[in-house]
Amino acid sequence: EIVLTQSPGTLSLSPGERVTLSCRASQRVSSDYLAWYQQKPGQAPRLLIYDASSRATDIPDRFSGSGSGTDFSLTISRLEPEDFAVYYCLQYGTSPRTFGQGTKVDIK
Amino acid sequence: EVQLVQSGAEVKKPGESLKISCKASGYSFTKYWIGWVRQMPGKGLEYMGIIYPDDSDARYSPSFQGQVTFSVDKSISTAYLQWSSLKASDTAIYYCAKHGGDFWSSFPQNWGQGTLVTVSS
Repeated sequence: EIVLTQSPGTLSLSPGERVTLSCRASQRVSSDYLAWYQQKPGQAPRLLIYDASSRATDIPDRFSGSGSGTDFSLTISRLEPEDFAVYYCLQYGTSPRTFGQGTKVDIK
Repeated sequence: EVQLVQSGAEVKKPGESLKISCKASGYSFTKYWIGWVRQMPGKGLEYMGIIYPDDSDARYSPSFQGQVTFSVDKSISTAYLQWSSLKASDTAIYYCAKHGGDFWSSFPQNWGQGTLVTVSS
């Protein structure tokens, strides 16, 4: 199965800052089928990005995804207070689908 | 509007059986895969597997094969996750999630609110 490694584990940032989260796969992700999710405490995950770079419905354009093959990233161009959360990547190009371990973005 | 409404929290003893539910609305239930995701206390997301309601084709991630069973009732647009003999290590929040219509390119798009399962003697 494909192992996804997210880095860093935790980021402490201030509102307004730009952040880039990394998701590295142990082998090539077929068709760049990679998604990103945001999860806040006590809530279900929310889809942000799919197919590596397509924004989901109603997701603000400060969120963008990029990458291909084994290296992917999620960028938040300017952190808003509501963006402090845990972010997960998921590959769905190969069965079984697998999640990364998550990156927590918290307030400095 | 797509909605997935899961059954309420459960407290069970080791060895007991359990079936939790996920009722779908706002879309054609039988034509989209539904998946299940586990989140153990304070931990990350784990993909358990997926089922196609139209024919009950179920695919399990290796870690969950033989440990749980997915099923559906098309007449009431509801998916189920069940255990025949719970362990303390099954304590977690379980999410259902609507996927796309094609197995190879689909991913969780809409999520239920989660069901907390607590297994303790």
